[in-house]
Amino acid sequence: GAGVSQSPSNKVTEKGKDVELRCDPISGHTALYWYRQSLGQGLEFLIYFQGNSAPDKSGLPSDRFSAERTGGSVSTLTIQRTQQEDSAVYLCASSFEGVTVTDTQYFGPGTRLTVL
Amino acid sequence: QQPVQSPQAVILREGEDAVINCSSSKALYSVHWYRQKHGEAPVFLMILLKGGEQKGHDKISASFNEKKQQSSLYLTASQLSYSGTYFCGTENQAGTALIFGKGTTLSVSS
Repeated sequence: GAGVSQSPSNKVTEKGKDVELRCDPISGHTALYWYRQSLGQGLEFLIYFQGNSAPDKSGLPSDRFSAERTGGSVSTLTIQRTQQEDSAVYLCASSFEGVTVTDTQYFGPGTRLTVL
Repeated sequence: QQPVQSPQAVILREGEDAVINCSSSKALYSVHWYRQKHGEAPVFLMILLKGGEQKGHDKISASFNEKKQQSSLYLTASQLSYSGTYFCGTENQAGTALIFGKGTTLSVSS
């Protein structure tokens, strides 16, 4: 596609439920990032995938959060047993190589998650 | 560590200038600047690499002083389209991702 796409654009769930957020990176981009943006806050790094390398999960806030990237393309971020503090906009970004962060990151429109 | 941006918010009239600062407590190799309009995805503006270079993008330019571990974004003769939240990003410890500041909200009115 022309840009990074994410689905759904909005997700409302009840506390305790699991949710899955999807990201489709730009074709040909080998690096994929997930960020979280809470109201009035900056972009919080969650996880990074680069090619077939082991992902950098250092930003995941708890073991309720996990992500996978199948076939080096589409990625799914899963949040288990959602809590109200998980409410935020979840942004995905991709870059051509990402081996160093001098590579430009292109962001998707985000998924707004609301946990009731 | 998260870079610190200042000011938190700026209100301008069209044609006025603004400076947004970004400072880090650790040595930097690069600084990235993004702009996010309300309800939209962040959009890349520029990357500045170690070496104290200055870059320009239309009437938006930036400088990077690695000795002072800080970068400044300069917006001259601001336009309505400049409104949004500006984020600076610096590399994380592993050098794999960006750590963003909390952002500076710029509002330009006519």
